[in-house]
Amino acid sequence: GENVGLHLPTLSVQEGDNSIINCAYSNSASDYFIWYKQESGKGPQFIIDIRSNMDKRQGQRVTVLLNKTVKHLSLQIAATQPGDSAVYFCAAPHRTALIFGKGTTLSVSS
Amino acid sequence: EAGVAQSPRYKIIEKRQSVAFWCNPISGHATLYWYQQILGQGPKLLIQFQNNGVVDDSQLPKDRFSAERLKGVDSTLKIQPAKLEDSAVYLCASSLSGNQPQHFGDGTRLSIL
Repeated sequence: GENVGLHLPTLSVQEGDNSIINCAYSNSASDYFIWYKQESGKGPQFIIDIRSNMDKRQGQRVTVLLNKTVKHLSLQIAATQPGDSAVYFCAAPHRTALIFGKGTTLSVSS
Repeated sequence: EAGVAQSPRYKIIEKRQSVAFWCNPISGHATLYWYQQILGQGPKLLIQFQNNGVVDDSQLPKDRFSAERLKGVDSTLKIQPAKLEDSAVYLCASSLSGNQPQHFGDGTRLSIL
């Protein structure tokens, strides 16, 4: 099965800085990864996904990088804003459901 | 597009009581999931439906948890009897089909006294 885990439980940044949240996975056969953002009192919100045939994918202010050699992916948030404060999860499919890591809490101070 | 709707938002019960949660997925989404999220952890799958059939319930504690999706749309999750360790947020998600992005509701926060 798959295990996904985040490297740091918390990350504190200043408004305007770039944030990098890291995630490791165990199953080299995993071919799809998703990043979710969860604000307090809300359900996880889809941010961006990436398939294993890609190394990089960009969205609006977010970039996901995938390194299959070391089984690592990262979420980069450019010009971090207070509204980005949340818990961020990486997830990978297990059959057709998802396995989530424990999450990194991003705190943005202005 | 309306999102996944869940009710109630909060529920407080005593141990050994029963409780039920309701989920209405996004219109047209064939796949529905129930997840349990304990404080400080990521969501963990309890059960997955494809239309009104169960795809995966291997993580569902079947001695106390049950779920149904009779008409392939709405779903209910029931706990009877509740234990203290069932205190968690219960999240419902839906997707067009398996292997498509999942969209989550805001969950039901369950507290067991």
